[in-house]
Amino acid sequence: DAGVIQSPRHEVTEMGQEVTLRCKPISGHDYLFWYRQTMMRGLELLIYFNNNVPIDDSGMPEDRFSAKMPNASFSTLKIQPSEPRDSAVYFCASSFGWTGKSTDTQYFGPGTRLTVL
Amino acid sequence: GDSVTQMEGPVTLSEEAFLTINCTYTATGYPSLFWYVQYPGEGLQLLLKATKADDKGSNKGFEATYRKETTSFHLEKGSVQVSDSAVYFCALNPNRDDKIIFGKGTRLHILP
Repeated sequence: DAGVIQSPRHEVTEMGQEVTLRCKPISGHDYLFWYRQTMMRGLELLIYFNNNVPIDDSGMPEDRFSAKMPNASFSTLKIQPSEPRDSAVYFCASSFGWTGKSTDTQYFGPGTRLTVL
Repeated sequence: GDSVTQMEGPVTLSEEAFLTINCTYTATGYPSLFWYVQYPGEGLQLLLKATKADDKGSNKGFEATYRKETTSFHLEKGSVQVSDSAVYFCALNPNRDDKIIFGKGTRLHILP
């Protein structure tokens, strides 16, 4: 298996522009997680899906952030408009569900490094 | 609420030295405990885990024992290598929902 795939790996944009990050989870996994990592705040869970349905978006920082999962093999995280404080590494992770709960092991993608100028 | 506290880095050691990275947790009930590792430019990957008290997780020469009495899950390795240089995250799953709670990470530098 190719693992979790994220694109782009690097994104540089200007303040006010729309940014879309993409994720393809591991085939067969029914949980998908979006995280943000910064030096100041560490690793933060933004939102997660189960069977394509958003379960908890309490970590989404504000209305400028939105996430979708239109099917089992694709998810997007969109920031509109972007701001310099959104600069971070964004990770997608997936896991296999067991008896309705996510298993312990989450498999992370390589991340997208976002820089907002 | 549930939380994980791990020692701040960076930790710098010489090759073949003994490694300990401390981790303590706060959680109700019976959480599962993990160590994840992040190599430069990569995402996190599971290093080891323990699901109940007194369990020992081990992988690649690393070990950690689930100590409920001290609410700790310290990571140890007897002889580190340069290739162990990475950021190590302690984490817990409260087993109430699907989330994993991560510590802030400890950066480890191993000098040849």
